[in-house]
Amino acid sequence: AQTVTQSQPEMSVQEAETVTLSCTYDTSESNYYLFWYKQPPSRQMILVIRQEAYKQQNATENRFSVNFQKAAKSFSLKISDSQLGDTAMYFCAFLTNFGNEKLTFGTGTRLTIIP
Amino acid sequence: EAGVVQSPRYKIIEKKQPVAFWCNPISGHNTLYWYLQNLGQGPELLIRYENEEAVDDSQLPKDRFSAERLKGVDSTLKIQPAELGDSAVYLCASSGGGMNTEAFFGQGTRLTVV
Repeated sequence: AQTVTQSQPEMSVQEAETVTLSCTYDTSESNYYLFWYKQPPSRQMILVIRQEAYKQQNATENRFSVNFQKAAKSFSLKISDSQLGDTAMYFCAFLTNFGNEKLTFGTGTRLTIIP
Repeated sequence: EAGVVQSPRYKIIEKKQPVAFWCNPISGHNTLYWYLQNLGQGPELLIRYENEEAVDDSQLPKDRFSAERLKGVDSTLKIQPAELGDSAVYLCASSGGGMNTEAFFGQGTRLTVV
């Protein structure tokens, strides 16, 4: 079974600073996808960024980037120039098994951007 | 394009009463998920549909929970009877299926059992 671990229950950072959220996972699969989702107080899960395991290049979406270390099974999210609207819960998620896709989430990190 | 629509957004019921949640996925999305999210936790899969077939319901407490997805579009999740421990957010998500598409989520239904 796949597991996703987020070891930082809460983090806070000053506006405009950079913050990194950690995620590790465990799987025996060689091909899979990793995601970071954002969940603001409205409860709507929003995809932030996606990484395909077969790609060595780290994914980047504007201020968001990942550090994907496949051998270490690590997938951290870096938010640059943090903004007040970045305040939310952030979930790392894992998708595998062609034909039996199951999206598994970590326990989340509550990120607060301080003005 | 409309996103995943869930209703109701909030529901308060007394224990032992039945409750149902409704989800309308994004048009054309064959895969539909129901997740349970307890306060401060990550979502946990209850059931996954491919079209009208429940392909993964291993985490669904079948003694009191049931789900259906008639015609492979809308889906309902039912609890009967509800227990105090069922208080949580119930999230619905849909995707186009396969490994190349993301899951889109609705805003969830917050259930409070009193």
